Amino acid sequence: QKEVEQNSGPLSVPEGAIASLNCTYSDRGSQSFFWYRQYSGKSPELIMSIYSNGDKEDGRFTAQLNKASQYVSLLIRDSQPSDSATYLCAVNNQAGTALIFGKGTTLSVSS
Amino acid sequence: DTAVSQTPKYLVTQMGNDKSIKCEQNLGHDTMYWYKQDSKKFLKIMFSYNNKELIINETVPNRFSPKSPDKAHLNLHINSLELGDSAVYFCASSPAGFGQPQHFGDGTRLSIL
Repeated sequence: QKEVEQNSGPLSVPEGAIASLNCTYSDRGSQSFFWYRQYSGKSPELIMSIYSNGDKEDGRFTAQLNKASQYVSLLIRDSQPSDSATYLCAVNNQAGTALIFGKGTTLSVSS
Repeated sequence: DTAVSQTPKYLVTQMGNDKSIKCEQNLGHDTMYWYKQDSKKFLKIMFSYNNKELIINETVPNRFSPKSPDKAHLNLHINSLELGDSAVYFCASSPAGFGQPQHFGDGTRLSIL
């Protein structure tokens, strides 16, 4: 069974701090990695995708990928209360036909 | 314009009934999916269709039957509903090609009485 693991949290950070969310995956053949944000009662919203080792930055968000360690992370700089949500790590299966989701990390940003 | 739309948004029904959920996407995507998110918020793939053809059928009871009349629509019919079917069902779509990101609809919250 291919798995994606995340700490469920909650991860609590003060406003303006850096939030660091981590994810590990078991399928060495995975090639595509995504971070989704899900507000309570809402649908998952794609915030970052990353396909190659290293860092990818988009505004306050940085995704990091290390395929050798099977590790993906998401950094949120200058965290805002509006960032409070559940962050879902998703990894494509080897065939690229479906996403395998982690159980999500709940982030709480206090003002 | 709504990219991936699902109807209904809420569905409350009794055990044993049959119900359908509809999904439409106007993104021009080739692949559509159904996911189930349970009470613990775990999101799991149920079905995947590429250009109207079934690609993935995860371990889902055969009471669940997807139907794709064209590549912009993927409907989900559920027979003989059970208490354990209570969940939020999300439709998603993605462009053709390996490992493309998926875009989700707003979800259908199914509650079985």
